[in-house]
Amino acid sequence: SQKIEQNSEALNIQEGKTATLTCNYTNYSPAYLQWYRQDPGRGPVFLLLIRENEKEKRKERLKVTFDTTLKQSLFHITASQPADSATYLCALGGEGTYKYIFGTGTRLKVLA
Amino acid sequence: DVKVTQSSRYLVKRTGEKVFLECVQDMDHENMFWYRQDPGLGLRLIYFSYDVKMKEKGDIPEGYSVSREKKERFSLILESASTNQTSMYLCASTEVNRYNEQFFGPGTRLTVL
Repeated sequence: SQKIEQNSEALNIQEGKTATLTCNYTNYSPAYLQWYRQDPGRGPVFLLLIRENEKEKRKERLKVTFDTTLKQSLFHITASQPADSATYLCALGGEGTYKYIFGTGTRLKVLA
Repeated sequence: DVKVTQSSRYLVKRTGEKVFLECVQDMDHENMFWYRQDPGLGLRLIYFSYDVKMKEKGDIPEGYSVSREKKERFSLILESASTNQTSMYLCASTEVNRYNEQFFGPGTRLTVL
């Protein structure tokens, strides 16, 4: 069955460093991949989308890569700040469906 | 500013009660979704709707039904609430282009006693 894996353990990093989060998937050929941020007690908020034919996407301090051979996406936050502390979710979408498959998320804590 | 609103942030119900969760979006989106989110399980799709009166089952539809009588409103119904339906319920909407981002509501934390 389709499966998405994100690091279930929290990631703690020092302010100013680059945070790297991983999203791995199996038994799926997504047409695109999205990353969301979720703060405690709130709904997810969209950050970035990358399509299957794109290797990399950037938005301000955020960078996403997508390797369909490795079946993996990496999400980077450069010059991280305490305000970046949140849970980050990846979501996959395929052709011919409106359904999204979400990972369980990785909790990031940026230490001042 | 685009908005998805949900009728309640917190709800406490008793086993066997019929529960209605309402979601309204003001973006004229065609697609609307209901998810539940549980620790360690992530977001799981319950139902989605791609047009008024149209619906499709998601991955975990058992024990739930939905209603979409107007484009902006999508309701989730728990026919007879059970304790294993205690969860965070999230509504989302998107434009018809499936590459578009999902806009989520703030969530309803439902507790069934």
